[in-house]
Amino acid sequence: QQQVKQSPQSLIVQKGGISIINCAYENTAFDYFPWYQQFPGKGPALLIAIRPDVSEKKEGRFTISFNKSAKQFSLHIMDSQPGDSATYFCAASTAGTASKLTFGTGTRLQVTL
Amino acid sequence: DVKVTQSSRYLVKRTGEKVFLECVQDMDHENMFWYRQDPGLGLRLIYFSYDVKMKEKGDIPEGYSVSREKKERFSLILESASTNQTSMYLCASSSTADTQYFGPGTRLTVL
Repeated sequence: QQQVKQSPQSLIVQKGGISIINCAYENTAFDYFPWYQQFPGKGPALLIAIRPDVSEKKEGRFTISFNKSAKQFSLHIMDSQPGDSATYFCAASTAGTASKLTFGTGTRLQVTL
Repeated sequence: DVKVTQSSRYLVKRTGEKVFLECVQDMDHENMFWYRQDPGLGLRLIYFSYDVKMKEKGDIPEGYSVSREKKERFSLILESASTNQTSMYLCASSSTADTQYFGPGTRLTVL
């Protein structure tokens, strides 16, 4: 059972454009929603994270939008750059679970010149 | 900087062999995790450990076991490797906070 559904599976965006990746979850006990970025040949690394007490979090060109009622959250990459080309994973966890994360299936982003 | 190292980047084994994947972290983290990563399936949790000698099954533990004898080291064991265990294996660690730090992965091929 896929508890965190991620879309699209792949995304091609022109340099300077906005990349948007969406995730939906089922478990209402989830209270931590991170996004991880993975470059080829590397392990994933935390990019940005949000807790459900806020609807948006922004760090530089990266923004998480969170909709608790819809059980959805999304990653927006503004002014996308070729260096942003990577695979992005959304994830979710519940408090008191030793930071055990449930990951989405990943989105492969390609930013073209 | 947090460092999570995995014993091999690439590994080729034969069906039926016993396989050991080692992971070491240098940040005194309580929690350690083993995932497998497959195209279109994302990261799936195999086992995790929140303390020395403690382990819990993740979402896909069948065919795997783990060992954590020391806090910094978490081993994944394939008792009898099968072709459907060909995959990328990722180790991660975390403190009581939420951020997981990943190693570079081991690409295992079972022939």
